[in-house]
Amino acid sequence: DAGITQSPRHKVTETGTPVTLRCHQTENHRYMYWYRQDPGHGLRLIHYSYGVKDTDKGEVSDGYSVSRSKTEDFLLTLESATSSQTSVYFCAIGTPLQETQYFGPGTRLLVL
Amino acid sequence: AQKVTQAQTEISVVEKEDVTLDCVYETRDTTYYLFWYKQPPSGELVFLIRRNSFDEQNEISGRYSWNFQKSTSSFNFTITASQVVDSAVYFCALSEGGSSNTGKLIFGQGTTLQVKP
Repeated sequence: DAGITQSPRHKVTETGTPVTLRCHQTENHRYMYWYRQDPGHGLRLIHYSYGVKDTDKGEVSDGYSVSRSKTEDFLLTLESATSSQTSVYFCAIGTPLQETQYFGPGTRLLVL
Repeated sequence: AQKVTQAQTEISVVEKEDVTLDCVYETRDTTYYLFWYKQPPSGELVFLIRRNSFDEQNEISGRYSWNFQKSTSSFNFTITASQVVDSAVYFCALSEGGSSNTGKLIFGQGTTLQVKP
C-alpha cells in the first residue's frame, strides 16, 4: 500500500471556524491531490499540487486553500467552515508518470 | 469538458450472478486514461485498473473483466460469479493525457453494488 496518511480522521467543528486537514506521504511523489466525496457526486477535485509551493485549483476550490512547503505534506484549509463543506475528504498521490493515483484513508468532517 | 456517467446508482444481485457496471465518458482529448476504483464499506478507495485510450483490448483479472469501446465511449466492468465481498461502491474515472497530463481525475457518481448471499 502507498504510504499516505491523513489527519485528523474525524473532525466536528462549528460554522465560521478555520479547519486544516493534513495529508502526509512517504513515497516522495511529486503530485498530490485533495478531493471531496459527497453522495450523488462521486469525488470532486478541490486542489492539487505538482511540487513544493506549486498548486492549482480543481473543480470545487471555492472556500478552500492549500499549501505545500515540503514534498511529503499537503495541507487543505477551510478558511471559514460552512455546513456545505461537511463531507469526506480524500488525499491522493500520483505515481511518477501519472499512471494512477493512490488514496489516503479519508477524513470525515462535520460542520455544525 | 470531460464527464463520466455511471447511470446505475444501485445494483443488487444474488451471489454467483454475473453483474456489469456501466461507465460512459466524454472527452475531447485523443489521449486519456480510464480507471476503476472500489470503495468497500470500510471507506478506503482501492485502485482496480487503468487503461489508456490507445489500448482497446479487453482485460481480465480473475473474476473481473473490463470492456473498453471507444466507438461508444464506454468502459464497462463485469464481475463474474459475484461474491458477498464484492459489495462496495465502484467508481469509474477519467484523466487527461498527453503533455498536459496532471493526473487530475474526473469521477462518475459511483454505483453501489450489493451482493446478497
